Amino acid sequence: ETGVTQSPTHLIKTRGQQVTLRCSSQSGHNTVSWYQQALGQGPQFIFQYYREEENGRGNFPPRFSGLQFPNYSSELNVNALELDDSALYLCASSLGGGWERYNEQFFGPGTRLTVL
Amino acid sequence: DQQVKQNSPSLSVQEGRISILNCDYTNSMFDYFLWYKKYPAEGPTFLISISSIKDKNEDGRFTVFLNKSAKHLSLHIVPSQPGDSAVYFCAASGSTSGTYKYIFGTGTRLKVLA
Repeated sequence: ETGVTQSPTHLIKTRGQQVTLRCSSQSGHNTVSWYQQALGQGPQFIFQYYREEENGRGNFPPRFSGLQFPNYSSELNVNALELDDSALYLCASSLGGGWERYNEQFFGPGTRLTVL
Repeated sequence: DQQVKQNSPSLSVQEGRISILNCDYTNSMFDYFLWYKKYPAEGPTFLISISSIKDKNEDGRFTVFLNKSAKHLSLHIVPSQPGDSAVYFCAASGSTSGTYKYIFGTGTRLKVLA
């Protein structure tokens, strides 16, 4: 059973550009959540996908969007990058549709995004 | 609005002694709480959890206590070991439109001194 993997590990972009981050969920997990962790802060919930549909969203603008694929991989897309988007982006996979409170989320190592 | 707060950014403890990490929350709708541990260059890893119907959960050296009336939880590590040195996040979960999502605190960096 493989864990959650993310790519790339690090990424540098300039303001206004677009970026796509990728996540491969743990095998069999049909739910993926994305988090943004700014320096010195805890992870902040961006959104969650269940069976390829968005299943909940945090307080992030529409330029943050996602996709989930049938093979348990997913993407986080950020358009019109801003300096404040510089952060560690974490994905977490879990079983179930997100409405089961006891589902443990398994995190990947994250992608460090720097916006210049 | 920080719904989950960890007011101590850092904590140093001698090896073998007890480490107590604290977490406060404001939203009474939270009904499931978790502690995650994070090493540098790794994602957070699940440590222990507790549901709101309990006030204590124990797993080996780790015990989590929940005081619902005070909206406070704590993680006790006994005895502390140097390998426990990491950043610890508490997280709370509650349903929003049927979706359970985690709200994390800002973390406490624990350093266990040998």
